[in-house]
Amino acid sequence: DTEVTQTPKHLVMGMTNKKSLKCEQHMGHRAMYWYKQKAKKPPELMFVYSYEKLSINESVPSRFSPECPNSSLLNLHLHALQPEDSALYLCASSQETSGNTGELFFGEGSRLTVL
Amino acid sequence: EDQVTQSPEALRLQEGESSSLNCSYTVSGLRGLFWYRQDPGKGPEFLFTLYSAGEEKEKERLKATLTKKESFLHITAPKPEDSATYLCAVLPGFGGGTASKLTFGTGTRLQVTL
Repeated sequence: DTEVTQTPKHLVMGMTNKKSLKCEQHMGHRAMYWYKQKAKKPPELMFVYSYEKLSINESVPSRFSPECPNSSLLNLHLHALQPEDSALYLCASSQETSGNTGELFFGEGSRLTVL
Repeated sequence: EDQVTQSPEALRLQEGESSSLNCSYTVSGLRGLFWYRQDPGKGPEFLFTLYSAGEEKEKERLKATLTKKESFLHITAPKPEDSATYLCAVLPGFGGGTASKLTFGTGTRLQVTL
């Protein structure tokens, strides 16, 4: 069982909707990540939080808005998405806080479909 | 530009038929090479970290090795439950103060049949 929990597992939304993806980890890690993964493609980094502060933003469109309320929680707020944003959104955490690590612990992902 | 290439793209094995997956990389100053397993519709599961050429790591039927240009994931006597996509990722060294970023390959889809 993964120690990184993501909700919801599946989400269908229209282009005018506002929704949020949630992630929680119970490993005491102080770095958390959002990745986006399209079918048969590798994960693409979106954001990195270190000690609840945004440390890396990979030029993600503003319709994606991350939030880290505390060291265990990570949210991704979605607004005015496009159909091409449909993907598996993965949350991950790591013990290393600089963002310079490859030992990530991923959740099971949230499958997002934008109509 | 950092590059990671995995081959083959897909591999079908019979149970017990050992084989190897390849991960070739071009990176400026390797800090680490990482192997992950990903089941369909799930997040990647971390398997191994390799730091320097000659290093080897083992876990059950899997063994990862590293040279200066590539890494291999050897699967010995695979079982159907080993079926998954195996991802390789590299972490480059620092350059000019820019934060390093993990670069994933596109993966090898492994199917093990009875």
